[in-house]
Amino acid sequence: ETGVTQTPRHLVMGMTNKKSLKCEQHLGHNAMYWYKQSAKKPLELMFVYNFKEQTENNSVPSRFSPECPNSSHLFLHLHTLQPEDSALYLCASSQDGNRNSYNSPLHFGNGTRLTVT
Amino acid sequence: RKEVEQDPGPFNVPEGATVAFNCTYSNSASQSFFWYRQDCRKEPKLLMSVYSSGNEDGRFTAQLNRASQYISLLIRDSKLSDSATYLCVVNPNRDDKIIFGKGTRLHILP
Repeated sequence: ETGVTQTPRHLVMGMTNKKSLKCEQHLGHNAMYWYKQSAKKPLELMFVYNFKEQTENNSVPSRFSPECPNSSHLFLHLHTLQPEDSALYLCASSQDGNRNSYNSPLHFGNGTRLTVT
Repeated sequence: RKEVEQDPGPFNVPEGATVAFNCTYSNSASQSFFWYRQDCRKEPKLLMSVYSSGNEDGRFTAQLNRASQYISLLIRDSKLSDSATYLCVVNPNRDDKIIFGKGTRLHILP
C-alpha cells in the first residue's frame, strides 16, 4: 500500500545536524498531519495542515519546523534536536480536515524512525 | 477520566478463542470512532470505523455505547496474525484533533 509514503525510513542524526523528513500522499486528501510516537506513549499530534494551511501546532518546540508546499506534500525540518526527540515520526492524511467533517479516518505512512545521538 | 483510555494488556489468548477489549472516552460529544491496528515497528492501519448501530467485518465486531461512553472490539476465531496492538481512536466534536489511546497489546498463542 503506497497511499502515504515517507522518507527516509530510518535516520540517525547528531544534535547539531539539520535534516528533513518528507511525506507524500497519493490519495487526493486535503489534510495532512505529523505525529510522534515514543515508546509506551500514545501517538502525539504535532502539526495539522488543512488545504495547505497550518491549523494546529500542538505546542511543538521550534526545533521542529513543518512545511506544506501543497496538499500532497509535507515536510518536517529538524535542527538541534535532543536525544529525547528520538521516536517514530508518522505522517498521515485524511480526506477532509474540515471542522464539520468528523468521519474521515487517518491513513498513515510507514514512518521515519529517528535516532538522535 | 483520561480523554481516551484502554487496558494496555497484554492479552494472551489461545488461537481460535474470542477476545474483546473496550476503550472509554471522556468527551460525551465525540462524533466518530475508529479501531486501528499497529504491528510492531510499523504504522497504524485502519481496522474499522465504529458506527452507532454497531458493525461487523468478518471476524471483527465493533460496538459503541454512548450512554457509558465506550467502544468495544470483539475478535472471533482469533488467528496468530491477529497479534498486534489495537488502538482506539476518538474524534471529538470540538476541533480537528483526533485522540489516540495508548493501545491494547494482543498476543495470540499457538
